[in-house]
Amino acid sequence: DSGVTQTPKHLITATGQRVTLRCSPRSGDLSVYWYQQSLDQGLQFLIQYYNGEERAKGNILERFSAQQFPDLHSELNLSSLELGDSALYFCASSVGGPISGNTIYFGEGSWLTVV
Amino acid sequence: QKEVEQDPGPLSVPEGAIVSLNCTYSNSAFQYFMWYRQYSRKGPELLMYTYSSGNKEDGRFTAQVDKSSKYISLFIRDSQPSDSATYLCAINAYNNNDMRFGAGTRLTVKP
Repeated sequence: DSGVTQTPKHLITATGQRVTLRCSPRSGDLSVYWYQQSLDQGLQFLIQYYNGEERAKGNILERFSAQQFPDLHSELNLSSLELGDSALYFCASSVGGPISGNTIYFGEGSWLTVV
Repeated sequence: QKEVEQDPGPLSVPEGAIVSLNCTYSNSAFQYFMWYRQYSRKGPELLMYTYSSGNKEDGRFTAQVDKSSKYISLFIRDSQPSDSATYLCAINAYNNNDMRFGAGTRLTVKP
């Protein structure tokens, strides 16, 4: 158990809908990362927050947004969902950024299926 | 060309074999090198972390980095069926939070 908690574990929704994925980082970790893993794209970095502020942005679509709250939990919002958004979404956390020995720990993921 | 290239396999070996997993990268700015293990439908877990050329050992696992060739390897000695998983290399530049992952190599160790 990495200590990173993600909910829901599984989610099935229709195209055009909006969903919210939630992540609680490990105790003491200030950074939260969101990754998308699909069969054809592998593990793709979406976005990072550090202590409530956006720190880095990767291949995140404009239909997607995220935020980190004062209690350090984070939410990833996915809107206008398309079939191609079906993937496993991981949250990860670390004390700081993924440099200088800061290890990032992944949650179990949220399986999103868009039908 | 992708920044990180990793043969997706699959790779199947008998129990007790030595396994060699490899990645190449294109950007010499990358300085931090990691290997993650991912069991089916689970989150990746960190196996090895290194930032310098050379070898780093941890039990049955050895991570090797050759910065001059932009080539990293993970060796697994005395492989066990419990090692069956997907192994992902991950690479990061200094002061850059955008960690790049390889596609992952799926390994099966047969009893």
